[in-house]
Amino acid sequence: DVVMTQSPLSLSVTLGQPASISCRSSQNLVNGDGNTYLSWFQQRPGQSPRRLIYEVSNRDSGVPDRFSGSGSGTDFTLKISRVEAEDVGVYYCMQATHWPPWTFGQGTKVEIE
Amino acid sequence: EVQLLESGGGLVQSGGSLRLSCAASGFTFRNFAMSWVRQAPGKGLEWVSVIFGGGENSYYADSVKGRFTISRDNSKNTVYLQMSSLSREDTAVYYCAKGRVWNGSPFESWGQGTLVTVSS
Repeated sequence: DVVMTQSPLSLSVTLGQPASISCRSSQNLVNGDGNTYLSWFQQRPGQSPRRLIYEVSNRDSGVPDRFSGSGSGTDFTLKISRVEAEDVGVYYCMQATHWPPWTFGQGTKVEIE
Repeated sequence: EVQLLESGGGLVQSGGSLRLSCAASGFTFRNFAMSWVRQAPGKGLEWVSVIFGGGENSYYADSVKGRFTISRDNSKNTVYLQMSSLSREDTAVYYCAKGRVWNGSPFESWGQGTLVTVSS
């Protein structure tokens, strides 16, 4: 199984400042079709998860452009350019290249300082 | 608008059984794979099971294989998770999710979840 490792596990950020979360996979996530199936999910307190980013860098509909994804192979990053209060929650990366199983990172908790 | 509404959670004794349902609307149900993902209290996300659009294929996490069965009724736009031999480790919020397996998007949309609590 592919192991997804996120860092840091907790992040305290000042409003308006940037934030960055790293995700590393134990195997290369490039699929046989040439695509890289790495997604990011946001889970606000008390809510269901919501997908933010798919295929490394594509934002889902309605996701603010302050969220961006990057990376390749086994190293990926989610960046928030200017953190807002509504960004508080836990963020998960997930790989969908080598399945089953589909595997998630441990989650990174983002708080406001 | 995509809507996924889970139901069937509750309190069950260890060794017992429970069936979860997820009623879907707002999309062509038979065209999408449906998954169950769970989250133990205070923990992260764990994929549990998936069933393809036509119901022809399904997969399970090792942690539930042989105990859980996923099924779907495309005439009712509903996916089910039959859970048996439950243990305290199965205590979690269970989410259903809609997506596409072959293009790497298994969890495009999520329901609000249903809580399963297994007591000893």
